[in-house]
Amino acid sequence: QSALTQPPSASGTPGQRVTISCSGSTSNIGSNTVNWYQQLPGTAPKLLIYSNDLIYGSNQRPSGVPGRFSGSKSGTSASLAISGLQSEDEADYYCEAWDDSLNAWLFGGGTRLTVL
Amino acid sequence: QLVQSGAEVRRPGESLRISCKTSGYSFTNYWVGWVRQMPGRGLEWMGIVHPSDSDTRYSPSFRGQVTISADKSITTAYLHWSRVEASDTAIYYCVRRNSAYGWDNWGQGTLLTVSS
Repeated sequence: QSALTQPPSASGTPGQRVTISCSGSTSNIGSNTVNWYQQLPGTAPKLLIYSNDLIYGSNQRPSGVPGRFSGSKSGTSASLAISGLQSEDEADYYCEAWDDSLNAWLFGGGTRLTVL
Repeated sequence: QLVQSGAEVRRPGESLRISCKTSGYSFTNYWVGWVRQMPGRGLEWMGIVHPSDSDTRYSPSFRGQVTISADKSITTAYLHWSRVEASDTAIYYCVRRNSAYGWDNWGQGTLLTVSS
């Protein structure tokens, strides 16, 4: 069981806004930046959102990632929001952060997003 | 770009080394890590190596189970098992760590199947 907790599944219809949560602790999300990754079926994960903001986790997107994706952080939790949901957004999504106690990078357990 | 070696099939107890050939960036300026994904499961960080001096760090979960190394003369990172087990069956990804952006470049993955 990962120290970063995500809901195993999420769903939405095209055009909707969905959010995926990532809950951690003071030793990881509470004191370090959070990044998000997208893994399309049968492919390697891809960096989706990175953050260089320790407090608010404001979203930064690598080149090529649509502005529909955004990230945020509050205390020991982080969230990924996807607005204007599209069928090609159907994928697994993972949060990630460094843990000061474990001296390890942690991934959340992953959330499978289904576009209905 | 990170290009990994091909799929492997091994029997329990055999040794194995898989590789990750990098190109297109200064190999000695970035850490390179390995991430495991067991069948139908999430991502797990295994360890990381800095090619400039082969400084290596391991996740507590994988320390002593695998060896990570790098050869800067051929810009290649490696993941080595002295004795594989059935529980090592998984896809293994090599990935570049960017201090500002997180895990920003992923290899295509190497599938390891361990079966008697």
